[in-house]
Amino acid sequence: GEDVEQSLFLSVREGDSSVINCTYTDSSSTYLYWYKQEPGAGLQLLTYIFSNMDMKQDQRLTVLLNKKDKHLSLRIADTQTGDSAIYFCAERWNSGYSTLTFGKGTMLLVSP
Amino acid sequence: EADIYQTPRYLVIGTGKKITLECSQTMGHDKMYWYQQDPGMELHLIHYSYGVNSTEKGDLSSESTVSRIRTEHFPLTLESARPSHTSQYLCASSRTAERELGGELFFGEGSRLTVL
Repeated sequence: GEDVEQSLFLSVREGDSSVINCTYTDSSSTYLYWYKQEPGAGLQLLTYIFSNMDMKQDQRLTVLLNKKDKHLSLRIADTQTGDSAIYFCAERWNSGYSTLTFGKGTMLLVSP
Repeated sequence: EADIYQTPRYLVIGTGKKITLECSQTMGHDKMYWYQQDPGMELHLIHYSYGVNSTEKGDLSSESTVSRIRTEHFPLTLESARPSHTSQYLCASSRTAERELGGELFFGEGSRLTVL
């Protein structure tokens, strides 16, 4: 079965880059997502990558995918205190009936 | 901006009470989901639906039940609440689409339930 692993906690200083890592086990996953959850709120899609891509950049966010190692990372440049949140990695098979499998979430704490 | 709404946002009730958590979406999505979120952050899928009159149990066994009589509405019911049901419940919806960015989940703000 699928399994998605993430480190639980990351602390950085404002202005530094943050890198959140994720590993997944299902090589047939075709869609990989990063979601952000702020305190007391639901999850919000930050960005996604198709499995035939190696990298995707969207403003301060860079997603890197290493299919060989089944490793996904999210880099946040110039991290701000407003980036403090829980970040979830998720994978989905190429099937309209499949559900997403989420990692356990990484809590990012940004200090001034 | 996602158009998916959950009520109530916060609920504190006593043991043995029946509760219903409401979830509605105005995006016409056919698939809807309920997740239970631990205090330790992990998300557990407890129910999902492919469309009207379709309901499926998720990965985590739950004493709750769901119904899908209308496309836009996916309520979750606990017949007799217990302290072990204390949790955050997140509702989500998605299109059934494979070639576009289908499968993206849109989440509600969550319902935080405390059972005393």
